[in-house]
Amino acid sequence: DAMVIQNPRYQVTQFGKPVTLSCSQTLNHNVMYWYQQKSSQAPKLLFHYYDKDFNNEADTPDNFQSRRPNTSFCFLDIRSPGLGDAAMYLCATQVERGSSYEQYFGPGTRLTVT
Amino acid sequence: GQNIDQPTEMTATEGAIVQINCTYQTSGFNGLFWYQQHAGEAPTFLSYNVLDGLEEKGRFSSFLSRSKGYSYLLLKELQMKDSASYLCAVMDSNYQLIWGAGTKLIIKP
Repeated sequence: DAMVIQNPRYQVTQFGKPVTLSCSQTLNHNVMYWYQQKSSQAPKLLFHYYDKDFNNEADTPDNFQSRRPNTSFCFLDIRSPGLGDAAMYLCATQVERGSSYEQYFGPGTRLTVT
Repeated sequence: GQNIDQPTEMTATEGAIVQINCTYQTSGFNGLFWYQQHAGEAPTFLSYNVLDGLEEKGRFSSFLSRSKGYSYLLLKELQMKDSASYLCAVMDSNYQLIWGAGTKLIIKP
């Protein structure tokens, strides 16, 4: 059963047209992340939440915003997508288990900007 | 600055053993993760090391030396399905993951 769900799996949008990507989890993990990953590159952290505490990375463009209305759901809003924003967007969750951590990624949303 | 280094690409033969190295320099250390990522798919968690030594999980093992800032992922009895990218990531003092660019592993029959 899918534990981290991302919708849609594929999104095509036009240059400058706002888009929202969603992520939901059935794991009740308190930490959630949004990453951007371009081909053959490492994932780049955009935002993370520890419970409801929101943190954006210093170099995350203002064009990107995020919302986490409750533990289960998280959204990534791209206000005015540019061609350079075409990428895979990954949602991940994390929970601490004693001295270890468990992390789970969703299947990703591949964004195309035309 | 923070830095994670791993080889860009490695080639190995089906049935053999391969070791993928990762060296790191980060502000603080709260553990090192290895992930497998097939092309076009999300990363899949493989292992987490926070103490020195070897952790074994079936055909995959991961080793950590904190004093050397070094880890490796060992894959035994390689199968064609192991062809993928393997990413090393370190959790820093802010509990954020610092990622390597990944090692593309090519398995040949």
